[in-house]
Amino acid sequence: DQQVKQNSPSLSVQEGRISILNCDYTNSMFDYFLWYKKYPAEGPTFLISISSIKDKNEDGRFTVFLNKSAKHLSLHIVPSQPGDSAVYFCAAFSSGTYKYIFGTGTRLKVLA
Amino acid sequence: DTGVSQDPRHKITKRGQNVTFRCDPISEHNRLYWYRQTLGQGPEFLTYFQNEAQLEKSRLLSDRFSAERPKGSFSTLEIQRTEQGDSAMYLCASSLGGLAGSNEQFFGPGTRLTVL
Repeated sequence: DQQVKQNSPSLSVQEGRISILNCDYTNSMFDYFLWYKKYPAEGPTFLISISSIKDKNEDGRFTVFLNKSAKHLSLHIVPSQPGDSAVYFCAAFSSGTYKYIFGTGTRLKVLA
Repeated sequence: DTGVSQDPRHKITKRGQNVTFRCDPISEHNRLYWYRQTLGQGPEFLTYFQNEAQLEKSRLLSDRFSAERPKGSFSTLEIQRTEQGDSAMYLCASSLGGLAGSNEQFFGPGTRLTVL
């Protein structure tokens, strides 16, 4: 049972445009959500997070939106840059279990 | 402190051999996690520690796998009698946790295991 889903395995965006990466979850016990960026042969790098008591968190070019009623979160990258090309994972955390559950990732390619 | 470190970065072994990996978390972090990642998948939870206590172990983890965090600082993950299906990237991550802590989790670079 996949509790965290990233239904788009890949996404291509033109440089300077907006990238929108989506993530859905099923367990309402998740109360914290994170996005990671991963380059090949490296560990995931933390990007941005959001608590379930908020619906938006912004950090520079990165904004995460959370829609609790839809159990959906998204990561917006504006403007997209070629260096943003990587695999992006969303993760959901439960303060009841202290566990993080990851999606399968979306490969973003930003075209110059 | 520069972040989570893992050693070795790469390990090639023959089937049936034992291997041990080490993880050094961010120094003030009390939670330490081990994950396994295979191609096309996200990190899969294996086990985690709160200080030196191992609080949960995934059903994915067979009896051939054991993890320790003896002094609440670094951790080791041992795989006995390795099998080809154990080939994967093994990731370690740490977080501060606690009532006043953050749930942000930071990863090490991983150990790539290849079992021949």
